[in-house]
Formats: sequence, C-alpha cells, structure tokens
Amino acid sequence: QQQVKQSPQSLIVQKGGISIINCAYENTAFDYFPWYQQFPGKGPALLIAIRPDVSEKKEGRFTISFNKSAKQFSLHIMDSQPGDSATYFCAAPGYSSASKIIFGSGTRLSIRP
Amino acid sequence: NAGVTQTPKFQVLKTGQSMTLQCAQDMNHEYMSWYRQDPGMGLRLIHYSVGAGITDQGEVPNGYNVSRSTTEDFPLRLLSAAPSQTSVYFCASSYSGTGVRYGYTFGSGTRLTVV
Repeated sequence: QQQVKQSPQSLIVQKGGISIINCAYENTAFDYFPWYQQFPGKGPALLIAIRPDVSEKKEGRFTISFNKSAKQFSLHIMDSQPGDSATYFCAAPGYSSASKIIFGSGTRLSIRP
Repeated sequence: NAGVTQTPKFQVLKTGQSMTLQCAQDMNHEYMSWYRQDPGMGLRLIHYSVGAGITDQGEVPNGYNVSRSTTEDFPLRLLSAAPSQTSVYFCASSYSGTGVRYGYTFGSGTRLTVV
C-alpha cells in the first residue's frame, strides 16, 4: 500500500513564527501535490497545490517547497497567526485507481498568541 | 451556497443496525468519494464514483455499500454497524478523476458513533 508520510503529528508555534510541515511520498506519477487545511468540525479544504515540475509555489504567507529527487515536499507558513491553528494534510498520487490520491496522517498546528 | 451537503451531522447507532449517510453536491462534479477520518490515520478512501452508474472500492470498503444513480447524489450505506465503524465520515467531490489539480470539495462531515 502506497504511503504518504507526514511529520510532525503536532506542532506548536509562537505567533509570528514560521510553521513547517513535511511530507514524503512514493509514487512519482506526474500530478499536483496539494495541502489541505481543516478546522475543527469542518471538512478539509484545499489550501495550496504545486506541480511537480516546479520547486516552489507561494500564495500569500503559504509556500510549498518541492524536492522531486528526494520525493519530499513541505508547507511553510510565514508569520504564523492564531487563525492558522488547524489540522493540515498533504496528499500525493496513489499507485492504483483505488487510491487516486493518498492523504498523509495530518499535522495539528497550534499557534500561540 | 454551492458545495457538498452531508446529512446527518451526528448519528449514534447500535451494533448491527443499518443506516445511510447522505451526500449531495450541486457543482455538477463527475467524481465523488467517501472517506473516513480516524485519529492519527488521516483520510482513508472507502468508495468512489467517476460518474452516474459507476462506483468502485477504495482502501477500506468492507462493511459499506454505495450507489450513484444521479450525478448529484452519492449515499453511503452501512450494512450492519460495528464499533470499528465509529468515525467521522466525509464526502468529497471533484471535476476530475484524480481531483488533485482542481482539489476536492469536502462536506462538513458526519460523526458516527456505534455502541
């Protein structure tokens, strides 16, 4: 079973700091690599996604860094705010039609004021 | 508002009971899927559908049935509830099969407890 390994499981960052969440994948199929953000009691929502032929994508305070050779990508949240406190999931292509995308196990991020 | 609507939001079942979780989307998405979310295990795919009349199994299909008679609706049936099915269930939809590029739109979830 193809896996997507996400770390850390939980993260506490001071307001204004940088939050970094990492993800390692196996399948090298060409497809986008997304991050989802989930607030308590809500479903996950697409936050940002990157094509595998670029090394970085930035949207506001959120940046994805992609390392194709290492099969890793990470989410950086600059100037972290209390409103960023949520659970974050990475996802990557699965090997089979039954696993179209595989989600990581999630990172619970808490931003302390 | 456009999106994915799931009902009910909360449900308590006794072991052995059956029930149907409802999911409806109004975005004309071809692809719909059901996930369960358990602590520390991320989102695991139960069943998915690439269009009306077409369904297939995901990673953890046992104990669940689905059907897709219309583009809009994708109900999930629990045949005989077991405590191991206690979880939060999410329905998601997307334009494309993989949903990676355009992103999945998730419902707000159904929290199911089986006692």
